[in-house]
Amino acid sequence: NAGVTQTPKFRVLKTGQSMTLLCAQDMNHEYMYWYRQDPGMGLRLIHYSVGEGTTAKGEVPDGYNVSRLKKQNFLLGLESAAPSQTSVYFCASSYFPNTEAFFGQGTRLTVV
Amino acid sequence: QQQVKQSPQSLIVQKGGISIINCAYENTAFDYFPWYQQFPGKGPALLIAIRPDVSEKKEGRFTISFNKSAKQFSLHIMDSQPGDSATYFCAASFTGFQKLVFGTGTRLLVSP
Repeated sequence: NAGVTQTPKFRVLKTGQSMTLLCAQDMNHEYMYWYRQDPGMGLRLIHYSVGEGTTAKGEVPDGYNVSRLKKQNFLLGLESAAPSQTSVYFCASSYFPNTEAFFGQGTRLTVV
Repeated sequence: QQQVKQSPQSLIVQKGGISIINCAYENTAFDYFPWYQQFPGKGPALLIAIRPDVSEKKEGRFTISFNKSAKQFSLHIMDSQPGDSATYFCAASFTGFQKLVFGTGTRLLVSP
């Protein structure tokens, strides 16, 4: 049972480049989330999804887009990367928001 | 209203001592209060959670104390060990809310 898997684990981008982060879960969870973690700022919610085909904005959505075409996958896109998007990105999933959330191992992204 | 305020930002405790981390919230609709533990290079993982029908929950050396009237909850780590050195996040949610709101985290260092 793999749980939540994020790819890639590390990436360096040049300013203006685009990329997609992939999150896959094998627990049949309805809810999926993308967070970014920055020193002293905790986990900030970027976008989330309450089921296949749905997405919604979190507290820091600017510069990111998401898609959930399949229930098990949640994609986070950066169309034009900026240095301010240098961060560690975590994907999480859960049956409901008030039940245990399972996190991936994270993606460390550096934008130069 | 949807924030969870966590303190302290960092904490140093001697081996065998008690570590205490506090969180406060405003929204009285919150009815699920988990604590997550994160080791360097890893994603957060659920440590212990409480719902407001009880004032305390204990799992091994870890205890959550919940004060509904004060809108506060805290994590106590008894007999702290160097292996407990990690970042701890409190969080909150409620039935019907689509998110899990996190505190800003506490970096705990247990000195040998």
